[in-house]
Amino acid sequence: GENVEQHPSTLSVQEGDSAVIKCTYSDSASNYFPWYKQELGKRPQLIIDIRSNVGEKKDQRIAVTLNKTAKHFSLHITETQPEDSAVYFCAASNNDMRFGAGTRLTVKP
Amino acid sequence: EPEVTQTPSHQVTQMGQEVILRCVPISNHLYFYWYRQILGQKVEFLVSFYNNEISEKSEIFDDQFSVERPDGSNFTLKIRSTKLEDSAMYFCASIKEGINNEQFFGPGTRLTVL
Repeated sequence: GENVEQHPSTLSVQEGDSAVIKCTYSDSASNYFPWYKQELGKRPQLIIDIRSNVGEKKDQRIAVTLNKTAKHFSLHITETQPEDSAVYFCAASNNDMRFGAGTRLTVKP
Repeated sequence: EPEVTQTPSHQVTQMGQEVILRCVPISNHLYFYWYRQILGQKVEFLVSFYNNEISEKSEIFDDQFSVERPDGSNFTLKIRSTKLEDSAMYFCASIKEGINNEQFFGPGTRLTVL
């Protein structure tokens, strides 16, 4: 089955800096790669997703890149704000969605 | 905007008891999922359900677990004989169409097994 690795497990940045979170996946049949933000005690919320026929996608301060050959994808958050502080999960899906272990992002004011 | 709902928000049970967690997916959605998240850990896939049958299940979803869509709105997860390690947050999710599209998550049910 699919195995998703995510790094780093914790990330602390200053407000205004960029944050990068990286994931790798094992199943070459996976074709959908969402990123979720989860605040404490809340449900995961989709922030951006990318499909395997696209290499990059951007939505305001958030971007995701996908390298299918290397089986890795990354989340980039620019101009970070304190409200970006949360746990971020990557996932890879080919029908059943498998999540990475999560990255706790702290943005210091 | 329509949302996935789940009841109860918190369920406390004794080890060995049966529990049923309930979900109401968004009304025109066709694919339904259950996930588990042990406190401080990642979200784990349990099962997907489409066209009134299980389409995929993970290694976690053993014969202690079952799912059902008893009517046109509810989607339930039953754990027959709960164990301490079943304590977790259980999330339901649904997709409108196509398996690889945005999944809409419910608020979760926190299950505590004593």
